[in-house]
Amino acid sequence: DTEVTQTPKHLVMGMTNKKSLKCEQHMGHRAMYWYKQKAKKPPELMFVYSYEKLSINESVPSRFSPECPNSSLLNLHLHALQPEDSALYLCASSVKLNSPLHFGNGTRLTVT
Amino acid sequence: GESVGLHLPTLSVQEGDNSIINCAYSNSASDYFIWYKQESGKGPQFIIDIRSNMDKRQGQRVTVLLNKTVKHLSLQIAATQPGDSAVYFCAETPFSGNTGKLIFGQGTTLQVKP
Repeated sequence: DTEVTQTPKHLVMGMTNKKSLKCEQHMGHRAMYWYKQKAKKPPELMFVYSYEKLSINESVPSRFSPECPNSSLLNLHLHALQPEDSALYLCASSVKLNSPLHFGNGTRLTVT
Repeated sequence: GESVGLHLPTLSVQEGDNSIINCAYSNSASDYFIWYKQESGKGPQFIIDIRSNMDKRQGQRVTVLLNKTVKHLSLQIAATQPGDSAVYFCAETPFSGNTGKLIFGQGTTLQVKP
């Protein structure tokens, strides 16, 4: 079992829906990340938070909205997604920036 | 530019043999490299890392070699086991400040034959 917990494991949503992905870690890590992974492709960085502040946004469309309410939690709010946004969304955390990332098992998102 | 890639998409080895997975990177200023293993239905799992001031680092059954001259990274797995079957990614942190940006290579699928 991973120490980074993501919920839900699976999510199916329509293009007009609003949903949120949640990520939680209790390792005391101060950096948290969202990655997107399409089938048979490497993870692609979306957002980086350090000490609850957004430090990297990799030109992600505004229909994806991250939120870091505290040092243990990271959310990804989804609105008006497109079918091509269907992917595995991975959350990760690290002690600090530029230290090894610990990944959760992801949320498998399907947009219909 | 920023580019991390692996030489082969699939590597098939016999159980008990040693495996070598290769990775090339293009940013000569990169200073931190990580190998991840991803099994089906799971997130990437940290295997081993190495910083640019080292040439070699060993873990349990794994060794990472870094050749900065030719910008090449390799992961060696000793006595490969069926449980080693997975996709292996090398990842690189370009030297662009303390950003936390980690770039993954395309991945190599390791298949272990019994």
